[in-house]
Amino acid sequence: KAGVTQTPRYLIKTRGQQVTLSCSPISGHRSVSWYQQTPGQGLQFLFEYFSETQRNKGNFPGRFSGRQFSNSRSEMNVSTLELGDSALYLCASSLGAANEKLFFGSGTQLSVL
Amino acid sequence: AQSVTQLDSQVPVFEEAPVELRCNYSSSVSVYLFWYVQYPNQGLQLLLKYLSGSTLVKGINGFEAEFNKSQTSFHLRKPSVHISDTAEYFCAVRKTGGFKTIFGAGTRLFVKA
Repeated sequence: KAGVTQTPRYLIKTRGQQVTLSCSPISGHRSVSWYQQTPGQGLQFLFEYFSETQRNKGNFPGRFSGRQFSNSRSEMNVSTLELGDSALYLCASSLGAANEKLFFGSGTQLSVL
Repeated sequence: AQSVTQLDSQVPVFEEAPVELRCNYSSSVSVYLFWYVQYPNQGLQLLLKYLSGSTLVKGINGFEAEFNKSQTSFHLRKPSVHISDTAEYFCAVRKTGGFKTIFGAGTRLFVKA
């Protein structure tokens, strides 16, 4: 069974640009969560989708948005990039119940210059 | 809202020595608790989880954790560490029936020969 796949692996953008990150969950998983990881801050929760519906959202500005498609694949978009958006963005999938573990992808390393 | 505090950002320890990584959480409702590990250049993977029942939970690679409701703690322990345990460890919490997993800032375990 293939794991969680995130593309691209690396991205370099300049301030003011926008970016779209993609996540393909494990087959059969309907929940996808997104996290921002920075040194010393741990993982900050962005949002969680289940069957194309956003069930939870973290405390990030509206520049951060996401969506989920009918095949459970998810995309995350960041508009008007700022230097502080440089981070590793992680996607995690699960079947969707609260007591289940998350399966993580390797992440997309975003650098904003 | 839930929150997680990992009390040590870095823990250096000699090989074959015991180790404890401390985690405290805050929540006004019942929660599930998790420990994840991130090895260098790898994605996060689950070490163990507490859902209910016995407060002592055993995980992979010889790790165990004890849930203490009165102290709102979920400390991770291993009686004898190996060089290969060098990694970053994250404590996480999710309210029962919830869909958002909150992570701590992480503890970097460095095992020395």
